[in-house]
Amino acid sequence: QKEVEQNSGPLSVPEGAIASLNCTYSDRGSQSFFWYRQYSGKSPELIMFIYSNGDKEDGRFTAQLNKASQYVSLLIRDSQPSDSATYLCAVNWGGGFKTIFGAGTRLFVKA
Amino acid sequence: GAGVSQSPSNKVTEKGKDVELRCDPISGHTALYWYRQSLGQGLEFLIYFQGNSAPDKSGLPSDRFSAERTGGSVSTLTIQRTQQEDSAVYLCASSYTGAQGGYTFGSGTRLTVV
Repeated sequence: QKEVEQNSGPLSVPEGAIASLNCTYSDRGSQSFFWYRQYSGKSPELIMFIYSNGDKEDGRFTAQLNKASQYVSLLIRDSQPSDSATYLCAVNWGGGFKTIFGAGTRLFVKA
Repeated sequence: GAGVSQSPSNKVTEKGKDVELRCDPISGHTALYWYRQSLGQGLEFLIYFQGNSAPDKSGLPSDRFSAERTGGSVSTLTIQRTQQEDSAVYLCASSYTGAQGGYTFGSGTRLTVV
């Protein structure tokens, strides 16, 4: 059974701080890792994907992957109230098209 | 189209009735996926289609659920004899082959069974 685990939160950070969101996955064969943002009442939207160990930066977002520890994280720098949402970690393993989603972490950024 | 289009956006149905949910993926995307999300829950995989290959139906919760994809484009998810536990948001997504770049989701169909 392939699983993706996230802390449900809520995670509350002050405006301008760094928000750190974490995710672990069970299958060592996993090859593609994604972070989606979901605002309340809306559908998920892709914000980052990462395939290789290390860091990948895109604007205020940094995805970090450690395959040995089966751990992927998302850092949001200079957090803004508009970043308040649920962040879904998703994992896809090689050769397959089915992506497994974590239950999500709710983030609140306080102005 | 420019995005993944789903219809209807909302559907209220009586227990025991059949419903059909429609998804029109992004033009050029060969893969199409159905997920459902119950209130406050994560995304539950239902089924995916890839090109002309046989679909992966491993996530369908019961034989009341079925889906088809005609001409490699539009997909219809059918739920027969709806039950109250079927109430959820049904999300469709599409991607290029292999989903390496992630999915694009539609806005979903909110199904309420009364």
